[in-house]
Amino acid sequence: DTGVSQDPRHKITKRGQNVTFRCDPISEHNRLYWYRQTLGQGPEFLTYFQNEAQLEKSRLLSDRFSAERPKGSFSTLEIQRTEQGDSAMYLCASSLSAAGSYEQYFGPGTRLTVT
Amino acid sequence: SQQGEEDPQALSIQEGENATMNCSYKTSINNLQWYRQNSGRGLVHLILIRSNEREKHSGRLRVTLDTSKKSSSLLITASRAADTASYFCATKPSGGYQKVTFGTGTKLQVIP
Repeated sequence: DTGVSQDPRHKITKRGQNVTFRCDPISEHNRLYWYRQTLGQGPEFLTYFQNEAQLEKSRLLSDRFSAERPKGSFSTLEIQRTEQGDSAMYLCASSLSAAGSYEQYFGPGTRLTVT
Repeated sequence: SQQGEEDPQALSIQEGENATMNCSYKTSINNLQWYRQNSGRGLVHLILIRSNEREKHSGRLRVTLDTSKKSSSLLITASRAADTASYFCATKPSGGYQKVTFGTGTKLQVIP
């Protein structure tokens, strides 16, 4: 399967713990996005990378959240000192920055539950 | 924050009928996309319409865009049970930003 993969698929953690999620985009895609989705809502943009550069970041993203994309390949999203309000599905997507190409390919998501 | 608002929030139709869902947004856009999400396949891109286009077709899908009203509609013709899913519009703003903002979604149920 050459689609976007995310690991882990499910994570249960206690409040106050740190968690890290990984996303492997489609290999030739240079753009990578992170979203958060809660029940009954659409995905909410968190951050965007072009290659290894983090070019956009939501103002909603608190300083407890950090994302990296070393070498422009896989990406990690870390949440420090988790809170119950962080419980959500975290989605990763990738796309190719060819002219006129905006279609994003989504991974299956990581479901985070903070107890 | 969600820019788009889909209408209706939920829609239930018989197989073979057409389904229409609407999206309204707030700011100037470069393009508008529709995505489908179901438990089996996650979020999948369906169709994209650019700000200078008014209508686009892809198979059983027809999308319209009215930039003066900041609204779009998605029509699915001859619906099938497999079309049961949530449908989201997503807008890319004008300018160089790549942030895509999703709406709140329409939950479609197609009854066999």
